[in-house]
Amino acid sequence: AQSVTQLDSHVSVSEGTPVLLRCNYSSSYSPSLFWYVQHPNKGLQLLLKYTSAATLVKGINGFEAEFKKSETSFHLTKPSAHMSDAAEYFCVVSVLFDSNYKLTFGKGTLLTVNP
Amino acid sequence: GAGVSQSPRYKVAKRGQDVALRCDPISGHVSLFWYQQALGQGPEFLTYFQNEAQLDKSGLPSDRFFAERPEGSVSTLKIQRTQQEDSAVYLCASSPRLWDEQFFGPGTRLTVL
Repeated sequence: AQSVTQLDSHVSVSEGTPVLLRCNYSSSYSPSLFWYVQHPNKGLQLLLKYTSAATLVKGINGFEAEFKKSETSFHLTKPSAHMSDAAEYFCVVSVLFDSNYKLTFGKGTLLTVNP
Repeated sequence: GAGVSQSPRYKVAKRGQDVALRCDPISGHVSLFWYQQALGQGPEFLTYFQNEAQLDKSGLPSDRFFAERPEGSVSTLKIQRTQQEDSAVYLCASSPRLWDEQFFGPGTRLTVL
């Protein structure tokens, strides 16, 4: 079984300040981990993914995430928020096992960026 | 190139009606997935296909839900005798292979009155 917990349902930051979106996961097998972003009325877009290579993963638009197995965490960060970063963010875990593969999403974190 | 498209974008149904939601994946993508996203929640897995074969339908909430992909490209999600609890956004995603990045469509927002 696998699950994801996003620790904050809403995060509010000022433009130009750092962003931290927290995610903890649970998985019986070696997981792949993803962050997706969802802008209003648009499809989900992949920000970055971890697939057992480097533990620090860099994604698009200046985002990065660090896989910490000891803490079962995969927090998303960005040094400086931009107004265009305002959106819903989903942490996702997946496991490929016995030809079964599915994504399990967290409940999402709404990021608000204030001018 | 064209992404994943879904139609209709919005659907309003009266309780008890049948609905059909269409997904056009990216050309050549072998895997196709359906998700249900309730208001304020993350997407939840419904089912997936490898070409025309439906390999996992464990997420379908009831036998009123049925999905098909007869020629291994376009897929249809059908909901029979819709209920109010079926109101949600239905997302389709495709990927080149099973474990590759999934590309999502914009979704179909279903409202059951």
